[in-house]
Amino acid sequence: DSGVTQTPKHLITATGQRVTLRCSPRSGDLSVYWYQQSLDQGLQFLIHYYNGEERAKGNILERFSAQQFPDLHSELNLSSLELGDSALYFCASSTYSDTEAFFGQGTRLTVV
Amino acid sequence: AQKVTQAQTEISVVEKEDVTLDCVYETRDTTYYLFWYKQPPSGELVFLIRRNSFDEQNEISGRYSWNFQKSTSSFNFTITASQVVDSAVYFCALQPTGANNLFFGTGTRLTVIP
Repeated sequence: DSGVTQTPKHLITATGQRVTLRCSPRSGDLSVYWYQQSLDQGLQFLIHYYNGEERAKGNILERFSAQQFPDLHSELNLSSLELGDSALYFCASSTYSDTEAFFGQGTRLTVV
Repeated sequence: AQKVTQAQTEISVVEKEDVTLDCVYETRDTTYYLFWYKQPPSGELVFLIRRNSFDEQNEISGRYSWNFQKSTSSFNFTITASQVVDSAVYFCALQPTGANNLFFGTGTRLTVIP
């Protein structure tokens, strides 16, 4: 158990809908990262937050947004969902930006 | 640009055989970190090792060992006396110092046959 908690584990939704994925980092970790794992794109970095502030953006679509709250948990919001958004979404946390990241179990999103 | 290549898409070995997973990386950064993660069938990503580019010493942890060679930009992972529980997809990743994220390879699916 990495100590990173992601909910829900599975999510099935229809095209055009909006969903929110939640991540609780390991106790004491200030950094939260979101990654998307799909068959065609592999593991892709989406966004990084550090102590509530956005630090870096990767290949994140404009339809996607995230935030990190004062208690350090994070949410990834996906809107206007398309079939191609079906993927495994991982959250990872680390103490700082340059320490090893530990991943949660992922949320498997299926868009139908 | 950062790039990690895992040329072996799939490997099958018989239990108790040794197996080496290859990882070659490209970066213009002079300092960086290299990682290996394991993704078992259950789907989570399990951290295995982080290595600083300054440290080229090989590392051994139980049946796992890692060979880092800066001259060939490789960071290979060997499992000795493989077991069925080692069956998983293994990812190599690169993080330049100061970067916020990991750059992952495409993974190697290892199947250990009993």
